[in-house]
Amino acid sequence: GENVEQHPSTLSVQEGDSAVIKCTYSDSASNYFPWYKQELGKRPQLIIDIRSNVGEKKDQRIAVTLNKTAKHFSLHITETQPEDSAVYFCAATLSGSARQLTFGSGTQLTVLP
Amino acid sequence: DAGVIQSPRHEVTEMGQEVTLRCKPISGHNSLFWYRQTMMRGLELLIYFNNNVPIDDSGMPEDRFSAKMPNASFSTLKIQPSEPRDSAVYFCASSYPRGGAPGNEKLFFGSGTQLSVL
Repeated sequence: GENVEQHPSTLSVQEGDSAVIKCTYSDSASNYFPWYKQELGKRPQLIIDIRSNVGEKKDQRIAVTLNKTAKHFSLHITETQPEDSAVYFCAATLSGSARQLTFGSGTQLTVLP
Repeated sequence: DAGVIQSPRHEVTEMGQEVTLRCKPISGHNSLFWYRQTMMRGLELLIYFNNNVPIDDSGMPEDRFSAKMPNASFSTLKIQPSEPRDSAVYFCASSYPRGGAPGNEKLFFGSGTQLSVL
């Protein structure tokens, strides 16, 4: 089955700096890579996603890049703000099962004022 | 739409008791998922349904866990008997295939049920 590794597990940045979270996946057939944000005590919510036929996607201050050859993808947050503090989860589809997602272990991002 | 609705929000029970978690997916969504979240294991998929039919329950930890979806608007996850190691946040999520294409469904999570088994 699919295996998704996520690093780092915790990340602290100063407000205004950039944050990068990286994930690797094992199944080369995976074709969809979403990122979910979970604020403390809240539900996970999709913030951005990318499909395997695209190398990069941006949405305001967040962007995701995908390297299919190396089987890794990254979340980039620029000009971080305190409200970006949350746990971020990457995920990848499980090959052969279109509606299953394997989640990474999560990254606790703290933006220091 | 009120989103995915889960109940109860919090459940405290004693070891050995039966626990039933409930979920109402978003109307029109044809897939429903049950996840368990713990610090040690992160987000784990327990089971998912498509058009009310269980498709994959390989994530269900053991026979003490069972899930049903009697209709498109309701699902339950039952633990009987419950054990302290079952303590976790249980999320229900629903989705639909955006643009009709598989593999890019957005998951809509409920608020979760915080289960504590003493």
